[in-house]
Amino acid sequence: GAGVSQTPSNKVTEKGKYVELRCDPISGHTALYWYRQSLGQGPEFLIYFQGTGAADDSGLPNDRFFAVRPEGSVSTLKIQRTERGDSAVYLCASSPTRDVTGELFFGEGSRLTVL
Amino acid sequence: TQLLEQSPQFLSIQEGENLTVYCNSSSVFSSLQWYRQEPGEGPVLLVTVVTGGEVKKLKRLTFQFGDARKDSSLHITAAQPGDTGLYLCAGDPGSSNTGKLIFGQGTTLQVKP
Repeated sequence: GAGVSQTPSNKVTEKGKYVELRCDPISGHTALYWYRQSLGQGPEFLIYFQGTGAADDSGLPNDRFFAVRPEGSVSTLKIQRTERGDSAVYLCASSPTRDVTGELFFGEGSRLTVL
Repeated sequence: TQLLEQSPQFLSIQEGENLTVYCNSSSVFSSLQWYRQEPGEGPVLLVTVVTGGEVKKLKRLTFQFGDARKDSSLHITAAQPGDTGLYLCAGDPGSSNTGKLIFGQGTTLQVKP
């Protein structure tokens, strides 16, 4: 499809396990963003990439969270030693340029449940 | 910490009624966006406002950016059941529009037929 694709759509894991969430942005979009949305809240910024590099990772809550975008397209959000508080919907968005007075295109999200 | 406060958090109205959702902050934003999100989907952009005092209309939706660029409102005229969803305002606090957005907590709108 032409939109932002996120996999898996749902992930249930146990406390302490490692999780990877994948985002495939719209082809040609140079900027990629990860946000986290808890139940009843608005999305919360985690990290954004311009090309292959993390331009701003100030929203990552702690060092258990890490994200990569090695070839400037697909990105993977990695969470180590998951905790119940990590349960949320993880949203990925992309934009064609760094100047986003235009639009962020969001995927449908990956719902993570940590038991 | 820059925050965006939305009000009301929940709104349940009958088809045909008008409504206004507010998005307020004590901080200045270089631009402000409104998104609509349906269950199981990501937010979809409705509008971006960048100039203080700006008013934009999208069919039955009217968006306004405050003169001081600290607040915004969304007014829906003659609401329809298809307007049901979560409405989110989001502001870019920086001067270079990076896409690092601060979102409000959202307003859940239910329009009953």
